Amino acid sequence: DAGVIQSPRHEVTEMGQEVTLRCKPISGHDYLFWYRQTMMRGLELLIYFNNNVPIDDSGMPEDRFSAKMPNASFSTLKIQPSEPRDSAVYFCASSLFEAGGLGYTFGSGTRLTVV
Amino acid sequence: KQEVTQIPAALSVPEGENLVLNCSFTDSAIYNLQWFRQDPGKGLTSLLLIQSSQREQTSGRLNASLDKSSGRSTLYIAASQPGDSATYLCAVVPYSGNTPLVFGKGTRLSVIA
Repeated sequence: DAGVIQSPRHEVTEMGQEVTLRCKPISGHDYLFWYRQTMMRGLELLIYFNNNVPIDDSGMPEDRFSAKMPNASFSTLKIQPSEPRDSAVYFCASSLFEAGGLGYTFGSGTRLTVV
Repeated sequence: KQEVTQIPAALSVPEGENLVLNCSFTDSAIYNLQWFRQDPGKGLTSLLLIQSSQREQTSGRLNASLDKSSGRSTLYIAASQPGDSATYLCAVVPYSGNTPLVFGKGTRLSVIA
């Protein structure tokens, strides 16, 4: 398996533009997580899915953020409109179990810069 | 709300030294605790997992301990090498076991040759 695949690796966009981040989880993993990492706040959970259904989106910072998982092999995180304070590294992770465990696999992340 | 703290935020040691990284959590009712490694520009890799009923786990030169009553865990790295340079993150799962990991901000380790 190629692991969790995220695209793009880097994204630079202007304030106000729509940004879409993509994730392909490991086949057979029932859980998918979106995290955001910044120096100030560390790694924050934004939202997670179980069998394509959103379970907890309380970490989504504002209505500008939305996430979907239309099928078991694909998820998107969308920011519209983007703002400079959204600049961060966004990670997708997938797991067999909700509570982690050694099967918790992270993608390489998308570094987002909003100017 | 569970909070995880890691001190120090950064650490620099000479090659060959034994070192300890610290992690503390505010609620001792945890399901498990994990240590991750993050290399620059990369995602996180799981190193060790300690279940709430365990006191320690070992993998090669790494040893992680857990003291739930005091809300602390340590990651011991023996005979450090430059290849150990990375950020090490601690994460806990609250007791119910059906919530995702809560992460600390990590300790950035530099091992100097």
